[in-house]
Amino acid sequence: RKEVEQDPGPFNVPEGATVAFNCTYSNSASQSFFWYRQDCRKEPKLLMSVYSSGNEDGRFTAQLNRASQYISLLIRDSKLSDSATYLCVVSYTGNTPLVFGKGTRLSVIA
Amino acid sequence: GAGVSQSPSNKVTEKGKDVELRCDPISGHTALYWYRQSLGQGLEFLIYFQGNSAPDKSGLPSDRFSAERTGGSVSTLTIQRTQQEDSAVYLCASSGSGGARHEQFFGPGTRLTVL
Repeated sequence: RKEVEQDPGPFNVPEGATVAFNCTYSNSASQSFFWYRQDCRKEPKLLMSVYSSGNEDGRFTAQLNRASQYISLLIRDSKLSDSATYLCVVSYTGNTPLVFGKGTRLSVIA
Repeated sequence: GAGVSQSPSNKVTEKGKDVELRCDPISGHTALYWYRQSLGQGLEFLIYFQGNSAPDKSGLPSDRFSAERTGGSVSTLTIQRTQQEDSAVYLCASSGSGGARHEQFFGPGTRLTVL
């Protein structure tokens, strides 16, 4: 079983739509959770951290379910500029490298 | 301020040759990571430096791969006797602390092609 699993997509949605991605992780000792965004042929960039209580940043909402070991990302009112690959990322302790999922590709269509 | 820089941006080499990839982290960042990303794959951890501690080399795929970090700043990843399966984008990241809660900032990567 992969450590971090995501649906690769692609998710093709019209502008203005709401889209949700889920991610599951296998290590119950995972402590920190993130969503990174990666544009085509570019480096990954942090989109948002994911907190146990859930958190929101503008149109983006992240949720963590520790019991079921999954993380979600909700994007409301999709923009063309949201088209990218979204990487689910976890870490096990404070001093270990991040473990990345393979990413979910989103295409927002006009 | 300046972000993470990597050089070269592209490297084409012949099978069996050695290559060196360079990473300049953000000034003051104590943690430095190397990852690689093959086509259509996720990021694969290679090696991690934190301050003066011994590096975590647990992700290096073979003894052909090595890395060093001089003066707690610049890092060089060396691949000896390159193979075609080494072709990938090699990404360097740095963070202000080894704690995973601190954001990792990535460089633009070096695209390595082994012919």
